[in-house]
Amino acid sequence: DAGVIQSPRHEVTEMGQEVTLRCKPISGHDYLFWYRQTMMRGLELLIYFNNNVPIDDSGMPEDRFSAKMPNASFSTLKIQPSEPRDSAVYFCASSFSGGRPNEQFFGPGTRLTVL
Amino acid sequence: AQKVTQAQTEISVVEKEDVTLDCVYETRDTTYYLFWYKQPPSGELVFLIRRNSFDEQNEISGRYSWNFQKSTSSFNFTITASQVVDSAVYFCALSHHTGRRALTFGSGTRLQVQP
Repeated sequence: DAGVIQSPRHEVTEMGQEVTLRCKPISGHDYLFWYRQTMMRGLELLIYFNNNVPIDDSGMPEDRFSAKMPNASFSTLKIQPSEPRDSAVYFCASSFSGGRPNEQFFGPGTRLTVL
Repeated sequence: AQKVTQAQTEISVVEKEDVTLDCVYETRDTTYYLFWYKQPPSGELVFLIRRNSFDEQNEISGRYSWNFQKSTSSFNFTITASQVVDSAVYFCALSHHTGRRALTFGSGTRLQVQP
C-alpha cells in the first residue's frame, strides 16, 4: 500500500506569491492532519480533518493560511500571500479511527522556502 | 494543556553502546496515548510505537525497548547495541485518548552514533 503522498517535495517561491501544498492520505484513513516543522517551534499542528470536515484549525497561524479537503483522498494547504517566516517543512499525516486509534502515518514532507 | 519535554537535545555514543532517550509528559487526562517517532537525516517521520496509558507493561522490539512509568509521567526509549543507522532525531509525542486527535510533540533528541 502506498503511504501518505505529498507534493511538491520542495518549493521555492518569492515573498507575496501563493503556495499550494498537496496531500493524498492513505486509502481508508478518515483523519488527515497538517503539521509544520521549524527550528524555532518544532513540530506543531496546523489543522486536522475527520471525514473531510475540519475539526480543529486552532494551529493555523493567520488568515493567510487555508486548508481544504474536497474528498477523502485529497487535501490542500494554501498560503497566500507567502512570507519568509513561512519557510518550514510541512507534513501531512493520516490515521484510521477504526484500527489503532491515533496512530498517525506521515508523508515525506514539503520543504518550503520563501525568499 | 498537554506538554512533552525531551531534555536531552543531543546525544553522541559509539556504536554498540546502549542509549536511553528520556521523555517526560504533562497531561490532565487520565487516559491518553504516548508515541515515539524517528526522523532520519532524509527527513521523513517514522512511527515507532504507540502506548496506551492504561497499559503500563514495558515493550521490547528487537534492539528497541520502552519503559513507561505513569507514576513519574515518563516514557523512555532505550536502544541496545546502537548502530550507525540509528542516527536520527527522535520525537516523543502525546495525544488525548478521545476527543482532540492531534499529537503534541517534544522538541526531539538528536542521536549520533559514531562508528
